[in-house]
Amino acid sequence: QPVVTQSSSASASLGSSVKLTCTLSSGHSSYIIAWHQQQPGKAPRYLMKVENSGSYNKGSGVPDRFSGSSAGADRYLTISNLQFEDEADYYCETWDSSTRVFGGGTKLSVL
Amino acid sequence: QVQLQESGPGLVKPSGTLSLTCAVSGGSIRISNWWSWVRQPPGKGLEWIGEVHHTGSTSYNPSLKSRVAISLDNSKNQFSLRLSSVTAADTAVYFCATAAAGPFDHWGQGTLVTVSP
Repeated sequence: QPVVTQSSSASASLGSSVKLTCTLSSGHSSYIIAWHQQQPGKAPRYLMKVENSGSYNKGSGVPDRFSGSSAGADRYLTISNLQFEDEADYYCETWDSSTRVFGGGTKLSVL
Repeated sequence: QVQLQESGPGLVKPSGTLSLTCAVSGGSIRISNWWSWVRQPPGKGLEWIGEVHHTGSTSYNPSLKSRVAISLDNSKNQFSLRLSSVTAADTAVYFCATAAAGPFDHWGQGTLVTVSP
């Protein structure tokens, strides 16, 4: 089954940009992934899905500041013009016909 | 817009069975979606438990498969989770979620279940 790996933490300054990475395991580099945001004390929120081609589809109401991209086995989430409300845990998710897996999550701090 | 709401006991005794229900509003459970459960132990990441398709077909996390059952109740537009032989390691916030074609695109608000005597 696929495995997705994320860095445990990231930080960036208010108003700057940050790029978070989700890496797919060997043999699964063509998989689609999804990004979810979890603000403190809240449920996860679906942000977007990112395909191997680099195309991405955002969920309803997700600001334009959020975008996705891809390179090889890596899938990215870029947040531009960082706001304090972007401080959250970000999880990537992937799936196949019989299972779903989450990465360990990246804790984003906005300085 | 589909909305999901979890309900069930917040406290379960060790070796007992955890039972939760997810009520679906704003849409029918009979549509071609996967209806799922995900949990998050305190301070930790997300763990997929399993899911049921509108046809009744199920998939489970191999690490939990022997203790889990997920089912649909079409008459009440809801789906349920049963996790047997619980221990303190099953203490977590339990979320229900749904996926139409690929990733989870709607989540419930979550409910904390504590396993304690």
